[in-house]
Amino acid sequence: SYVLTQPPSVSVAPGQTARIPCGGNNIGSKTVHWYQQKPGQAPVLVVYDDRDRPSGIPERFSGSNSGNTATLTVSRVEAGDEADYYCQVWDSSSDHVVFGGGTKLTVL
Amino acid sequence: QVQLQESGPGLVKPSETLSLTCTVSAYSINSGYYWGWIRQPPGKGLEWIGTIYHSGNTYYNPSLKSRVTVSVDTSKNQFSLQLRSATAADTAVYYCARAVWVGATGVWFDSWGQGTLVTVSS
Repeated sequence: SYVLTQPPSVSVAPGQTARIPCGGNNIGSKTVHWYQQKPGQAPVLVVYDDRDRPSGIPERFSGSNSGNTATLTVSRVEAGDEADYYCQVWDSSSDHVVFGGGTKLTVL
Repeated sequence: QVQLQESGPGLVKPSETLSLTCTVSAYSINSGYYWGWIRQPPGKGLEWIGTIYHSGNTYYNPSLKSRVTVSVDTSKNQFSLQLRSATAADTAVYYCARAVWVGATGVWFDSWGQGTLVTVSS
């Protein structure tokens, strides 16, 4: 089955740029979606279709996808961005949804 | 703005069936979209359980497929989850969500319920 790999944690100072990778075999051929989850809350979609943002999500959140790595980029990081972030794809070869293991973004 | 709300027992005994319902508000299930269940064991990541269309077409996580049934009741604007032969490993927060499906490019979840904790214990 298809596997998505994320680092357990990423740390960044306020105002800097955080890049959260999501690795998968030829992930560039799939479309990747990203969710933000704060403690005790449900996940929130922040990027879909590799790079599109739902209404209400700040432009500071952006996505890219190529080769074996998709990346969620959070620019001008704020304390309120501290959360767990999950990538997700649809594996068409087996017809099921796959989530990455999640990355905890810590704002120093 | 669509709203989803999970409901069901918070405690299930081992070997019994875990049953949850998701009630959808401000949107008719019949109008389109897919509808799904995702769970999260305490302190762990997200795990997809299954997804259903209003016509009844379903997709399940292969690791759970033998124990799971997802169904839809359009008259009540609800969809449901049944997980048979529950064990302690099924203890998790269970989320229902609306799924956007775009042909071959796949599916994502654009609206989520608040989640409900189900504990499997005697």
